Amino acid sequence: AQSVSQHNHHVILSEAASLELGCNYSYGGTVNLFWYVQYPGQHLQLLLKYFSGDPLVKGIKGFEAEFIKSKFSFNLRKPSVQWSDTAEYFCAVTPGGSGGYNKLIFGAGTRLAVHP
Amino acid sequence: SQTIHQWPATLVQPVGSPLSLECTVEGTSNPNLYWYRQAAGRGLQLLFYSIGIGQISSEVPQNLSASRPQDRQFILSSKKLLLSDSGFYLCAWALGADTQYFGPGTRLTVL
Repeated sequence: AQSVSQHNHHVILSEAASLELGCNYSYGGTVNLFWYVQYPGQHLQLLLKYFSGDPLVKGIKGFEAEFIKSKFSFNLRKPSVQWSDTAEYFCAVTPGGSGGYNKLIFGAGTRLAVHP
Repeated sequence: SQTIHQWPATLVQPVGSPLSLECTVEGTSNPNLYWYRQAAGRGLQLLFYSIGIGQISSEVPQNLSASRPQDRQFILSSKKLLLSDSGFYLCAWALGADTQYFGPGTRLTVL
């Protein structure tokens, strides 16, 4: 069965530190990849997505992610985090070309706490 | 612009009682609609999706059912709740196979 692994369940950083959150998936075919973020008290919202093309994807708020097909990975990065990046981050995958709808498979999430 | 609403925001129900959670979308037509559940310490799991009125697909066997009586309304139901039904329920919409947009969620506690 398809699955998504997020290796870090809790991450604590100081402001200005660099961030990398790991995401690996198990699916052999074409995939669409997503990172969603949930800030405290807010809706789950899209951070960035990859469907095709340049494997280095830039999202909102200075985040980026790199799709490495050979490693089945889609790691999220930010060079310098801010206190406002404190949130829970979810990686999600859906098989590409699924015919008019997507069935997202989510990782367990990573809780990021950024201290001033 | 599109908005998605869910209610209630929180719900505490006894075991064996019925359940009805509602999700409505504004500002779009013929969206795909999805119900997800997040159990404590776990990621979101897709429960149901719908590509049109009256068309429901179930992803996991469970104590829940879904219905789509109108184009932009998606309802999650149960006749008799179990303790294991506790969790955070999220509704999402999308146009075709594009990005899914999530509602605020309903936190359900079954006692």
